[in-house]
Amino acid sequence: EVQLVETGGGLIQPGGSLRLSCAASGFTVSSYSMSWVRQAPGKGLEWVSFIYSTGGTYYADSVKGRFTISRDNSKNTLYLQMNGLGAGDTAVYYCARAGGFWSFDLWGRGTLVTVSS
Amino acid sequence: QTVVTQEPSFSVSPGGTVTLTCGLTSVSVSTSYYPSWYQRTPGQAPRTLIYNTNTRSSGVPDRFSGSILGNKAALTITGAQADDESDYYCLLYMGGGINWAFGGGTKLTVL
Repeated sequence: EVQLVETGGGLIQPGGSLRLSCAASGFTVSSYSMSWVRQAPGKGLEWVSFIYSTGGTYYADSVKGRFTISRDNSKNTLYLQMNGLGAGDTAVYYCARAGGFWSFDLWGRGTLVTVSS
Repeated sequence: QTVVTQEPSFSVSPGGTVTLTCGLTSVSVSTSYYPSWYQRTPGQAPRTLIYNTNTRSSGVPDRFSGSILGNKAALTITGAQADDESDYYCLLYMGGGINWAFGGGTKLTVL
């Protein structure tokens, strides 16, 4: 079955770090461009980060310099390293596979990150 | 700053037709923004409905359709069903490098 499963969320104190994982099955992560999208409580979806199949990485201004997207081809897994977390980073984080024409065609169920003291 | 706008909420009767829109505060939405639409039901992974303005994603029934209406992207649901009750988000590719913007979402009620 083609799917994405996110893990690694949890409660973290302000200023802390967390690494999210997104395990892919049914397809090869390295063959696709991938992204992270988040949804804060009561808010809409927000694009966070993107990695091309060729390796180039991009970030929303809100996380630039604090978050790092990467992948491990041997584990078929996408990652999001999050540093310097603040209350504004509290959200459900989804990984998504890039489809054609600048869309996303496959999503995971998400993992909740709560930043609070 | 350009903001992607959607109706906060909408209501439709079972079997009815509803059109949700996706606009920009400063310019018109065109096919150049490659609008796509997603359904988000609590507890489930978001589902891709439409991409590239009007192309249905695999497995999406043809009662979902996308278009450009005037200066906005639009998602039309024809013959609404109870399980269409969900949140719907549009996504625009903003260009200028790699950059996307989601709308605030429309909460659709079927009753």
